Amino acid sequence: EAGVAQSPRYKIIEKRQSVAFWCNPISGHATLYWYQQILGQGPKLLIQFQNNGVVDDSQLPKDRFSAERLKGVDSTLKIQPAKLEDSAVYLCASSSREGAKNIQYFGAGTRLSVL
Amino acid sequence: GEDVEQSLFLSVREGDSSVINCTYTDSSSTYLYWYKQEPGAGLQLLTYIFSNMDMKQDQRLTVLLNKKDKHLSLRIADTQTGDSAIYFCAESKITGGGNKLTFGTGTQLKVEL
Repeated sequence: EAGVAQSPRYKIIEKRQSVAFWCNPISGHATLYWYQQILGQGPKLLIQFQNNGVVDDSQLPKDRFSAERLKGVDSTLKIQPAKLEDSAVYLCASSSREGAKNIQYFGAGTRLSVL
Repeated sequence: GEDVEQSLFLSVREGDSSVINCTYTDSSSTYLYWYKQEPGAGLQLLTYIFSNMDMKQDQRLTVLLNKKDKHLSLRIADTQTGDSAIYFCAESKITGGGNKLTFGTGTQLKVEL
């Protein structure tokens, strides 16, 4: 079974530029998550999708971050414009069903450096 | 407090046992998890425990849960160099928006020969 795929693996941009990340979850997983992991910290949830609907985006800085999952499979996360403090690893995860156990499987992440 | 807390660093000798500790925040958390993150990789689920249990063993891993103190620990027996990584505990909270994981800050485990 293929895992969660993310691209690109690395991205370097200058502040005020735009950037987009892509995630393909495990086949059949209805729930998809985007996390931001700043160096030395644990992952912080940015947004959670159930199929193509948003379940939780309370931690997403909506003035500059946006995410979509139009067909309930792949997802993109965009930052426009980027700030220095957006430098982090952006992790995508998916899970097969929403329930108490909530086993999330993670991709390798995209490491973003904003100069 | 609001944060899931872990000590930052642990160093052990190969073959010894490692114990990584975590203090979580929500007494209503249903499941608690341990994830492992190797350099340049995503998080890999190691094990989890249901909140009505106080211990779970899985090969070299033993999870202990003290609900009264909201304390979770992960013991790795016979620690190997391949166990060197960052270990995250996470609690599961039921929110209006669904089932949300909150991660600790991570404990970096270094295994020395």
